Amino acid sequence: EVQLVESGGGLVQPGGSLRLSCAASGFTFSSSAMSWVRQAPGRGLEWVSAFGATGGATYYADSVKGRFTISRDNSKNTLFLQLNSLRAEDTAVYYCAKETVTSQNYYYYLDVWGKGTTVTVSS
Amino acid sequence: DIQMTQSPSSLSASVGDRVTITCRASQSIGRYLNWYQQKRGKAPNLLIYAASSLQSGVPSRFSGSGSGTDFTLTISSLQPEDFATYYCQESYSTLMWTFGQGTKVEI
Repeated sequence: EVQLVESGGGLVQPGGSLRLSCAASGFTFSSSAMSWVRQAPGRGLEWVSAFGATGGATYYADSVKGRFTISRDNSKNTLFLQLNSLRAEDTAVYYCAKETVTSQNYYYYLDVWGKGTTVTVSS
Repeated sequence: DIQMTQSPSSLSASVGDRVTITCRASQSIGRYLNWYQQKRGKAPNLLIYAASSLQSGVPSRFSGSGSGTDFTLTISSLQPEDFATYYCQESYSTLMWTFGQGTKVEI
């Protein structure tokens, strides 16, 4: 069964740090691009960051650039998101998602999602 | 950055109704458009990718259409389990992706 399980969320003070993890199973993790998507309470979905399958390319939303760092350990089938300089507006459920791309035309989409881990930034 | 605008923001419909949700991109994105369903307290679930391709396991009452800047998600006969919020998402951008603001469907 293809599965993603996030962990590492919690309550942190403004300016603090957290490291989120996403454990993958049931598919070839090293060959898959991965994304983090977050959802603030009562709000919509916001794409946060992505790590390409090959070449190590990383991408970030403007709202987190310079504060968050995405990384992966293919030997442990795990994706990470380091959250630094946290702000109240970073409070959200953070989802890990697997990217798939079609062989023709390279259409990308997020076809497997974890259940999410909650980050609360508050004093 | 590409902006994605969904309409309506919410709608009420009855079981058996045909429901249409629209998503408009701020620039042409070809067919790089995906649709997700999110039920309350759950993770999003992929319905449609590449504007009109039905994801495996998704009921055939869901369909997508459009290209360029205007896209549509249609539920041909609304079922009670379709109560959810629906999001479009562009995957055209190289550096970052954008979701629409969501459409809440109430039965």
